Amino acid sequence: NAGVTQTPKFRVLKTGQSMTLLCAQDMNHEYMYWYRQDPGMGLRLIHYSVGEGTTAKGEVPDGYNVSRLKKQNFLLGLESAAPSQTSVYFCASSYSIRGGHNEQFFGPGTRLTVL
Amino acid sequence: QQQVKQSPQSLIVQKGGISIINCAYENTAFDYFPWYQQFPGKGPALLIAIRPDVSEKKEGRFTISFNKSAKQFSLHIMDSQPGDSATYFCAASVLGDDKIIFGKGTRLHILP
Repeated sequence: NAGVTQTPKFRVLKTGQSMTLLCAQDMNHEYMYWYRQDPGMGLRLIHYSVGEGTTAKGEVPDGYNVSRLKKQNFLLGLESAAPSQTSVYFCASSYSIRGGHNEQFFGPGTRLTVL
Repeated sequence: QQQVKQSPQSLIVQKGGISIINCAYENTAFDYFPWYQQFPGKGPALLIAIRPDVSEKKEGRFTISFNKSAKQFSLHIMDSQPGDSATYFCAASVLGDDKIIFGKGTRLHILP
């Protein structure tokens, strides 16, 4: 049982480049989330999904897109990376019953640097 | 207001001491208050959680104190150990909402 895994662990991009971060979970969770963590800013929700084929915006969605084509995978895309998107990105998943009251299981994070 | 305000931003405690982290909220609809612990280089993990129908919840050396009238809750770590050094996030959510709101985190360092 791998839990929540994220690919890649580290990435360096140049301004304007694009990339996709992959999150996978093997716990059959309905809900999946993408957060970014910046010093002094805590965890900020980018986008989330309450089930296969659904996505919704979080607190800081601009500059990111997401897709949930399979229940176990949640992809985060940066179409044109900017230095302001330098951050550590965390994916999380949870069961659907009781919504936000459920424990969120986090992946190990992806450290992204945009030059 | 959907914010959860957390303080202090950083905290240094001697080994064996009590670490106290405080959080405050405005939205009286919040009815679930978890705390997450994050070690360096790792993702956060649920540590302990409380619902507003109780004023205190204890799990080992970790205790959540909840003051509904003041809209405040706090995490107490008794007999703090160097292994407790981590970033702690308080959070809150509303039953029926799909999201939880995180505080900005407290970086705790326990001196050996």
